[in-house]
Amino acid sequence: DQQVKQNSPSLSVQEGRISILNCDYTNSMFDYFLWYKKYPAEGPTFLISISSIKDKNEDGRFTVFLNKSAKHLSLHIVPSQPGDSAVYFCAANGGTSYGKLTFGQGTILTVHP
Amino acid sequence: DARVTQTPRDKVTEMGQEVTMRCQPILGHNTVFWYRQTMMQGLELLAYFRNRAPLDDSGMPKDRFSAEMPDATLATLKIQPSEPRDSAVYFCASATGRLAGTDTQYFGPGTRLTVL
Repeated sequence: DQQVKQNSPSLSVQEGRISILNCDYTNSMFDYFLWYKKYPAEGPTFLISISSIKDKNEDGRFTVFLNKSAKHLSLHIVPSQPGDSAVYFCAANGGTSYGKLTFGQGTILTVHP
Repeated sequence: DARVTQTPRDKVTEMGQEVTMRCQPILGHNTVFWYRQTMMQGLELLAYFRNRAPLDDSGMPKDRFSAEMPDATLATLKIQPSEPRDSAVYFCASATGRLAGTDTQYFGPGTRLTVL
C-alpha cells in the first residue's frame, strides 16, 4: 500500500527551464511534507519542506506547493541547472512524535545543458 | 563536519550468509532510522530507534532481519540468512529527536548489498 506516490519515474528538462516534480498521497493524517534529493552513490539530502498549514514554501530556486484537498504536492525548480540532475524523493510525516517518514518511489530528474 | 557514516559501503555475499551493516549516527542525535532502497518501492522504512530503544520495526522481515543499538554511537542491521531478494541499498539516517514531526533526517551514504 503506497501511501506516497510519485507517478513519474523520470523527467527530462532543458537547462534554464522549469522542472515540476509531482507527488500524491492518500493518508489524510499526513501533516508535514518534505523533498529529498539524492545523487548517485550518496544518501538522500533534505531539500525543502512544507507544513500542512501552508500551501507554498519557497527557498531560492525551489518552491513546494501543497494542495491538501487534492492530496497533491509539487516541487518546482526554476531555473533548472545541470547540477539539479538527481533522484528526488517526496516524503510525508503523519504527525507522530518521532518523525517517521513515508517516502515515494522517487523521480529521476535529468537537466540537459 | 558532522555526518552519518555507514560500513561497509559495498558488500557482496552468497545466499545463506550472515550480513551485518553498521551505522554511526551524528553525535547528539537520538533517533536512528534504517531504510532500504529498491527500484519498485523506493525508500522503505525498516526500523527506527529513539534513545536506543526500538520504536517500530514493522517494516522488517522478522525471521531474518534484526536491528540493534548497542550504544548511542552504533546501530547495526543484521540479515541471517541472506537471500538474493535482500539485494538493495540500505541507508541509515539520524535526527536530533527534538523537533518531533518536523525533524530533518540526515542520511548516510548507504551500504550496497548484493546477495548471489
